[in-house]
Amino acid sequence: DTGVSQNPRHKITKRGQNVTFRCDPISEHNRLYWYRQTLGQGPEFLTYFQNEAQLEKSRLLSDRFSAERPKGSFSTLEIQRTEQGDSAMYLCASSPWTGERTQYFGPGTRLTVL
Amino acid sequence: KQEVTQIPAALSVPEGENLVLNCSFTDSAIYNLQWFRQDPGKGLTSLLLIQSSQREQTSGRLNASLDKSSGRSTLYIAASQPGDSATYLCAVVNSNSGYALNFGKGTSLLVTP
Repeated sequence: DTGVSQNPRHKITKRGQNVTFRCDPISEHNRLYWYRQTLGQGPEFLTYFQNEAQLEKSRLLSDRFSAERPKGSFSTLEIQRTEQGDSAMYLCASSPWTGERTQYFGPGTRLTVL
Repeated sequence: KQEVTQIPAALSVPEGENLVLNCSFTDSAIYNLQWFRQDPGKGLTSLLLIQSSQREQTSGRLNASLDKSSGRSTLYIAASQPGDSATYLCAVVNSNSGYALNFGKGTSLLVTP
């Protein structure tokens, strides 16, 4: 399967713990995006990378959140000191630099903070 | 700030009906518009992408149109089937950013046999 993959698919954690999610984009895509989706809402943009450079961060991305894409391939999203309000689906997408720039999404990581 | 609105929020139709989902956006300076499908608890599947210079795109039973000047797009689904039941999301990329998708809240569609 050459689609976008995300791990883990589900994560349950206690408030105050740190969590890390991983995204593997489609191999030839050099743009990678993170979104967050809460129940009944559309996804909201968090951040995006072009290769290894993080070019934009939404104000939704508080200082407890950090994202990396160390070699321009996979990406990680870490949340420190989780809060109940962080419970959401975290979606990763990738797209090529040229052409239509269609964004292809992964299955998401469902985070539940108790 | 780009605002994307989808109407109706929910729709229930009997199998075989043709239906239209609506999407409107407040800033007409867009790079492209995408329609997605989302099944419960799942990720998003891209259905159609319309560039700002295009008026419509078709894929099978789906047809999406774009009227950029009025800030509107419609997704037409012909001969609906129970397997079409899902949430349909509309999203636009602004011209001045070129990357971040701005989503509506979606239309939840139920097609009954």
